[in-house]
Amino acid sequence: SAVISQKPSRDICQRGTSLTIQCQVDSQVTMMFWYRQQPGQSLTLIATANQGSEATYESGFVIDKFPISRPNLTFSTLTVSNMSPEDSSIYLCSVAGWWGGLSNTEAFFGQGTRLTVV
Amino acid sequence: DAKTTQPPSMDCAEGRAANLPCNHSTISGNEYVYWYRQIHSQGPQYIIHGLKNNETNEMASLIITEDRKSSTLILPHATLRDTAVYYCIVPLKGGGYQKVTFGTGTKLQVIP
Repeated sequence: SAVISQKPSRDICQRGTSLTIQCQVDSQVTMMFWYRQQPGQSLTLIATANQGSEATYESGFVIDKFPISRPNLTFSTLTVSNMSPEDSSIYLCSVAGWWGGLSNTEAFFGQGTRLTVV
Repeated sequence: DAKTTQPPSMDCAEGRAANLPCNHSTISGNEYVYWYRQIHSQGPQYIIHGLKNNETNEMASLIITEDRKSSTLILPHATLRDTAVYYCIVPLKGGGYQKVTFGTGTKLQVIP
């Protein structure tokens, strides 16, 4: 299993500013994911973060808006840049499950960062 | 990737079994079905997964049809704490890892 800690748990930010969200895992993991959950909606995958390489972004998300760092195997950050009220969401990080042969494990999720942009 | 279809909402009386269906008709032979749930304001929580055999753990049972085109998650004795959005997911497979994308899920309301 993996225990994931996110900081901050919530924040209220002014439009035009940036917020960096931290995700700490209690074990070394290769692949991490960042999600956004807009009010009343399901989770949408933002990007895949592999240690030692550039993050891979899903359609509709760009690095300039959501830069991601992955400096080591237990930590990642997501920055929400130049924020607008439309960025008000819950942002979650996740540790990937593995597959292959007899090993098919589940994904683990942080409790999320609730961001409100005013 | 295999698309899943779930009813948007269901009600269940407290203490009764909750049966949540999921269609995944395009699932391929080596793809697993996973179930997660999200209780309000929390991160998603893993429940159970299976390939073709029925599975049971301390939280739930998973029944997969023989053709693997659908499955049912069973919460045997639903409690108020089981009120949540339940997601049936067939993860995409990358280089050894799973990529989890969420549909709209089923909002289960357990009624006293």
